[in-house]
Amino acid sequence: EVQLVQSGAEVKKPGESLKISCKGSGYSFTSYWIGWVRQMPGKGLEWMGIIYPGDSDTRYSPSFQGQVTISADKSISTAYLQWSSLKASDTAMYYCARTYCSSTSCRYGMDVWGQGTTVTVSS
Amino acid sequence: DIQMTQSPSSVSASVGDRVTITCRASQGISSWLAWYQQKPGKAPKLLIYAASSLQSGVPSRFSGSGSGTDFTLTISSLQPEDFATYYCQQANSFPPTFGQGTKLEIK
Repeated sequence: EVQLVQSGAEVKKPGESLKISCKGSGYSFTSYWIGWVRQMPGKGLEWMGIIYPGDSDTRYSPSFQGQVTISADKSISTAYLQWSSLKASDTAMYYCARTYCSSTSCRYGMDVWGQGTTVTVSS
Repeated sequence: DIQMTQSPSSVSASVGDRVTITCRASQGISSWLAWYQQKPGKAPKLLIYAASSLQSGVPSRFSGSGSGTDFTLTISSLQPEDFATYYCQQANSFPPTFGQGTKLEIK
């Protein structure tokens, strides 16, 4: 079964760092891109960025560039999303999802999703 | 960034009804559009890609159409499990932006 399994819920204080994970299984992890999507409480979906685990090629939405870092360890089929200094406005559900991209676009949608990781940032 | 605008923002319908949701792109995106369904507390699910291609395992009552800037998602005969929020996403260029969502509620 193709699946993405994300790390568990996190509760952090403003200014703390955090790294959440997304582990793929059931498919060739290095043949697809992994994207990250934010959903703030009661709001819609926001595309954050993607990584190709095969060579760690990474693209960010301008809205998230410099705010987060996306990385991957292909040896353990895991992608990561990290913050160096959290803000209260980072409180959200974060999803990882599999996608297939070229150098300019990801034309076939995000077909396999993780279950989501809730991040709560509060003093 | 390409802006995606869905209408309506919410719609009430009954089981068995035919429902259409519209998505408009701020510039042409050819046929590179995806539709997702999201139920409360769950991850989104891909329904349609490339505007009209049905994702494997998705019931045939779901269909998509359109090209350029105007797209539609149609559910031919609503089932109880279809009440959810639906999102479009342009897939033509980075970043692949989402519409704001359409909540489909039971009448």
